[in-house]
Amino acid sequence: DQQVKQNSPSLSVQEGRISILNCDYTNSMFDYFLWYKKYPAEGPTFLISISSIKDKNEDGRFTVFLNKSAKHLSLHIVPSQPGDSAVYFCAASAWGASKLTFGTGTRLQVTL
Amino acid sequence: DVKVTQSSRYLVKRTGEKVFLECVQDMDHENMFWYRQDPGLGLRLIYFSYDVKMKEKGDIPEGYSVSREKKERFSLILESASTNQTSMYLCASSTSGTGGYEQYFGPGTRLTVT
Repeated sequence: DQQVKQNSPSLSVQEGRISILNCDYTNSMFDYFLWYKKYPAEGPTFLISISSIKDKNEDGRFTVFLNKSAKHLSLHIVPSQPGDSAVYFCAASAWGASKLTFGTGTRLQVTL
Repeated sequence: DVKVTQSSRYLVKRTGEKVFLECVQDMDHENMFWYRQDPGLGLRLIYFSYDVKMKEKGDIPEGYSVSREKKERFSLILESASTNQTSMYLCASSTSGTGGYEQYFGPGTRLTVT
């Protein structure tokens, strides 16, 4: 049972445009959400997070939006750059819990 | 900066061999994790440890065991390697308490079992 779903395996966006990566979850106990970025042959690196008391969190070009009623979050990258080309994983946990549940990932390709 | 290191970047083993993957973190984190990453399946948790000598099964523990004798070190053991254990293995660590915590990952070990 996939509790965190990333339904788009891949996404291609032109440089300078907005990239929107989506994530859905089914477990109502989840209230902390994270995005990780992964390059080939490297470990994932933490990008940005949001707790359920917020609906938006920004960090430079990256913004995460949370819609609790829809159990949906999205990562916006503006403007997209070629170095953003990577696999992005969405993850979730209950507050105070150590375990993260990861989605299957979305491969973002930013083209020139 | 948190640093998580893994003993090998690439490893090739034969079916039936016993395989040890080592992970070390330098941030005094309580929690350590082992995942495997496979195409289309994301990151799946094998085992995690929340304290020295303590361990809990993750989602796919079959065929694996772990050892945590020191706080900074967490080992993953494949008792008898099989070809379906060919994968990218990722170690992570995090602090604990109340709140939300990100996990910090090592660079990964690409294991091929032939």
